[in-house]
Amino acid sequence: GAVVSQHPSRVICKSGTSVKIECRSLDFQATTMFWYRQFPKQSLMLMATSNEGSKATYEQGVEKDKFLINHASLTLSTLTVTSAHPEDSSFYICSAAVLGEEYTDTQYFGPGTRLTVL
Amino acid sequence: AQSVTQLDSQVPVFEEAPVELRCNYSSSVSVYLFWYVQYPNQGLQLLLKYLSGSTLVKGINGFEAEFNKSQTSFHLRKPSVHISDTAEYFCAVRATGFQKLVFGTGTRLLVSP
Repeated sequence: GAVVSQHPSRVICKSGTSVKIECRSLDFQATTMFWYRQFPKQSLMLMATSNEGSKATYEQGVEKDKFLINHASLTLSTLTVTSAHPEDSSFYICSAAVLGEEYTDTQYFGPGTRLTVL
Repeated sequence: AQSVTQLDSQVPVFEEAPVELRCNYSSSVSVYLFWYVQYPNQGLQLLLKYLSGSTLVKGINGFEAEFNKSQTSFHLRKPSVHISDTAEYFCAVRATGFQKLVFGTGTRLLVSP
């Protein structure tokens, strides 16, 4: 149980184009999804938190207009990197959770998407 | 705010030897604690978590961790490691009542024959 998928697993794009990454919870309904970015040999940095049906909450320093997040259903969230540049190249990981009133539940992570911008 | 410190960036160990990966945290409120493992080019897999109750928690793949509130630590241990345990291990905390997970910088466990 608690499987999260991401698509695509790897994408290479030209500078200036936009890329969409999908995150799906396959066997549970996720009230909340999280998007992380991981640079080589570094830890995960939270980019934004999205709750189904509402606007995402972005962490300080993350550009909302560049990293568009949509959480249209309880099983799907998308991250769109708009007008991508080489410095956006990174490993993007999503996680999904069912968070109750006590926030005791666990985040389950997707396998990640490797974005390379040429 | 919370912070997590993993002092060891890399831990080399021989196969079948015991290992301990250290994690210390800082928080002004109660926290939940987690250990995740990441294999190359993959996402994170939950090893174990501490929410409440017994301070010794057992996880998958023979790993266990002990929550020590007075020392604000949550060290991960395994009595006998395998080559397949070679991976990056992340400690994380989440303040009770909040959604955000805060990760440590990770510890690379290198198991050699």
